[in-house]
Amino acid sequence: GENVEQHPSTLSVQEGDSAVIKCTYSDSASNYFPWYKQELGKRPQLIIDIRSNVGEKKDQRIAVTLNKTAKHFSLHITETQPEDSAVYFCAANDIDYKLSFGAGTTVTVRA
Amino acid sequence: DAGVTQSPTHLIKTRGQQVTLRCSPKSGHDTVSWYQQALGQGPQFIFQYYEEEERQRGNFPDRFSGHQFPNYSSELNVNALLLGDSALYLCASSLTGDEQYFGPGTRLTVT
Repeated sequence: GENVEQHPSTLSVQEGDSAVIKCTYSDSASNYFPWYKQELGKRPQLIIDIRSNVGEKKDQRIAVTLNKTAKHFSLHITETQPEDSAVYFCAANDIDYKLSFGAGTTVTVRA
Repeated sequence: DAGVTQSPTHLIKTRGQQVTLRCSPKSGHDTVSWYQQALGQGPQFIFQYYEEEERQRGNFPDRFSGHQFPNYSSELNVNALLLGDSALYLCASSLTGDEQYFGPGTRLTVT
């Protein structure tokens, strides 16, 4: 089955700086890669996703890149704000859209 | 437009007991997936229901079972509860399996 690894496990950035989280996956058949943001005590929230026929996708301050050859994808957050502080999870799909999640990255934005 | 809802919010059970958790999908969605999230970890896939049948299953024992009703709502049942079953149980709904949106979860504590 799919195995997703995520780095780093924790990330502290100064407000206004950029944050980058990287993930690798093992199953070359995976074709859907969502990112979720989970604030303390709340549900994971889908913030952006990318499919295998696209190399990059942007939505305001967040962007995701995908390298299918290397089997890795990354989340980029620019101009970080205190409300960006949360745990971020990457995921990759298996057949029938079973999602395998990374272990998460705790992002702290320092004011 | 109601999002994904789950009940109950919290639940405390004793080892050996049985529990039933419920999920109502987002309006227009036909697929429900269940995940277990232990503290400090990413969600782990339990199983997915589509057209009232289990379409795919993760590495969970047969003590975990489920059901999907004609209105697409779903139940997760866990028999013979173990201390290790204590976790946040999340359901996610989607249309055919893509773009999964999570409910608020049920916090299960087994004592």
